[in-house]
Amino acid sequence: DIQMTQSPSSLSASVGDRVTITCRASQGISNYLAWYQQKPGKVPKLLIYGASTLQSGVPSRFGGSGSGTDFTLTISSLQSEDIATYYCQKYDRAPRTFGQGTKVEIK
Amino acid sequence: QVQLQESGPGLVKPSQTLSLTCTVSGGSISGGSFYWTWIRQHPGKGLEWIGYIFTGGSAYYSPSLKSRATISVDTSKNQLSLRLSSVTAADTAVYYCARESGNYAIDYWGQGMLVTVSS
Repeated sequence: DIQMTQSPSSLSASVGDRVTITCRASQGISNYLAWYQQKPGKVPKLLIYGASTLQSGVPSRFGGSGSGTDFTLTISSLQSEDIATYYCQKYDRAPRTFGQGTKVEIK
Repeated sequence: QVQLQESGPGLVKPSQTLSLTCTVSGGSISGGSFYWTWIRQHPGKGLEWIGYIFTGGSAYYSPSLKSRATISVDTSKNQLSLRLSSVTAADTAVYYCARESGNYAIDYWGQGMLVTVSS
């Protein structure tokens, strides 16, 4: 089965900073990659699907890129409300594996 | 607007079977091409995909849970179900039902339900 590896596992950045999270698949998954945001005590929320398509209503400071095995989630200017754990997930075929998550904190 | 709501016992004894139901409202569980999904999250941990059942099709499971998990759909009640047999304390988690729209990933989630396995 394909494994999904996110890095870093956590990061601390200042408001206004550009933040980058990477997700690597152990085999190619084309662009079947989604990113979710989970705030503490809340339900995960879809941010990006198809590796780079922003879900409706998601702020434009969020962006996704990549194809094949290497993917990136970028927050162009970190805001205080972006404090959350971010997960990637492959959905090309079963099993639909999640990455282990990246916790984003404010410095 | 599609809504999903999990229900079931919040406390299950070890070795018993965990049974959860997800009631779907705002849309038919048998309409469209969707992957009706169960996901869990151990306390303080990441998301773990349990499995899905495709609209009108087969179910697929995580290899680690395949021998114990069963996902089914009751179209008459517009409900999705999860059964997990022979539970242990390691199955204590928040369980989410969700809808995956194929090309569009998981676009709807239930609120999640904490299930504790304890005697």
